[in-house]
Amino acid sequence: DVKVTQSSRYLVKRTGEKVFLECVQDMDHENMFWYRQDPGLGLRLIYFSYDVKMKEKGDIPEGYSVSREKKERFSLILESASTNQTSMYLCASSSRSIKQYFGPGTRLTVT
Amino acid sequence: KNEVEQSPQNLTAQEGEFITINCSYSVGISALHWLQQHPGGGIVSLFMLSSGKKKHGRLIATINIQEKHSSLHITASHPRDSAVYICAALRFYDKVIFGPGTSLSVIP
Repeated sequence: DVKVTQSSRYLVKRTGEKVFLECVQDMDHENMFWYRQDPGLGLRLIYFSYDVKMKEKGDIPEGYSVSREKKERFSLILESASTNQTSMYLCASSSRSIKQYFGPGTRLTVT
Repeated sequence: KNEVEQSPQNLTAQEGEFITINCSYSVGISALHWLQQHPGGGIVSLFMLSSGKKKHGRLIATINIQEKHSSLHITASHPRDSAVYICAALRFYDKVIFGPGTSLSVIP
C-alpha cells in the first residue's frame, strides 16, 4: 500500500515563527502536492512538484515556500506564520496521471 | 462559477437509505476522482474513473463524459458512511480541480 506520512497531526505556532511541514511518500512517486483545506473553501493547491528540485506554484502560494531535495520528501515552509495560515494542511503524491494518495493531514493553529 | 460543482452541499439520511451525490464539471478531464474525508481529516481515495461505472462494496461511481457529470451512490447507507465526499477533476498535465465537497450524515 502507498503510504504518505506527514510530520505532525497537530501543530500550534506563534505569529512570526518559521514553520516546517514535512511530507514523505514511499512509492517513488514523481508528483507531490501541498494543499490547505478550510471550511467552505474546499481543498486549495499551494505548491506542487514534478521532480526533485522542481516546484510549481499552485493557486495560493503567497506566504509559503517549498523544498524538494529528495524524491520521497516534500516540505512546506511558512517563512513567518500568520493567523490566516491556521488551517488543515494535506500532502499528496501521485505517479504521472494516476490518482493522488493523501497523507493524514496536519492541523496547524497560529496564535 | 466553479469548474467543479457538487450537489447537495449537505445531506442527512436515515440508515439504510440509498444515497446519491452528484458532481458536474465544466472542463476537459482525463479522469474523475472520488475521495472520502472522515472527521479528523484523513482523505481516502474511493474511485478513479474515466468512463462507465465502478463498484466497490456498497459504493458505486458512474461518469458520463458527454454530459460532464459523475455520481457517487451509496446503497444501504450506514452511520459509518458519514463523511465529506469530494469529487476531483483530473485535468491533463496532472492539474487537479477539487469540488467543494458534500457533507453526509447518516442517522441510525
